[in-house]
Amino acid sequence: GQNIDQPTEMTATEGAIVQINCTYQTSGFNGLFWYQQHAGEAPTFLSYNVLDGLEEKGRFSSFLSRSKGYSYLLLKELQMKDSASYLCAVMDSNYQLIWGAGTKLIIKP
Amino acid sequence: ETGVTQTPRHLVMGMTNKKSLKCEQHLGHNAMYWYKQSAKKPLELMFVYNFKEQTENNSVPSRFSPECPNSSHLFLHLHTLQPEDSALYLCASSQDGGSGGNTQYFGPGTRLTVL
Repeated sequence: GQNIDQPTEMTATEGAIVQINCTYQTSGFNGLFWYQQHAGEAPTFLSYNVLDGLEEKGRFSSFLSRSKGYSYLLLKELQMKDSASYLCAVMDSNYQLIWGAGTKLIIKP
Repeated sequence: ETGVTQTPRHLVMGMTNKKSLKCEQHLGHNAMYWYKQSAKKPLELMFVYNFKEQTENNSVPSRFSPECPNSSHLFLHLHTLQPEDSALYLCASSQDGGSGGNTQYFGPGTRLTVL
C-alpha cells in the first residue's frame, strides 16, 4: 500500500530552527509537495521537489532523497505566525497526491 | 488567496436533508478536486475532474454526487448523509490532472456537520 509518515506534533521556540521529516512509500513518484495549513484555513503551497537535493526559498527549505524515500522541511528564524500544520504529499504514478496526516508545529515565545 | 472560492463556509444539516457545496476557481485551471479532511487524518481524495471529465472516484459512497458543468465550477451534492461524514470538505484546482509537478491550489473549505 501507499504510505506517508510524518510526526504528529512538534514544538519549537521563536527564532530557532526546526526540521519536519517525511518518509514515504508510494507506487511511483512524480514529486513531493509541502503545504502549510493554518487552523481553519486552506492548505497553501510551500515547495515542490522532484530531484534529489535541497531547494531553498527564503526561511523555508525542502530536501529530497528519492533513494531513501525521505524528505524534510526546514524552517529557520521561526516566527509565531509559523504555528500551523505542515502537510507532506507525494504525487504517485497516476499523478494523484498521497497525503500524510500533517505535523502540527507549535511555536513558543 | 482568492483563486479558489467555496460556499458555504459552514453547513449544518440533518441526515435527511439535501444540500450542495459549490467551488469556483479563477485560475484558468483545467483540473478540479474534492477532498475530505477529518481531524488528525490525511486528506482523502474523493473526486477528480480533468477537462470536465471525471477521472477519479475513490470508492466514495453514492450519497456524495459531484457535478462539473465547466472547468471553473465544481459542485458536491449531498443527500442522506451520516454523522461520520462530518468533516472539512476542500476543493482544489490545478493546471491539469495528468502530469507531474502540477501544484494544487485549495479553497478555504466547507466545514460540514451532520446531525
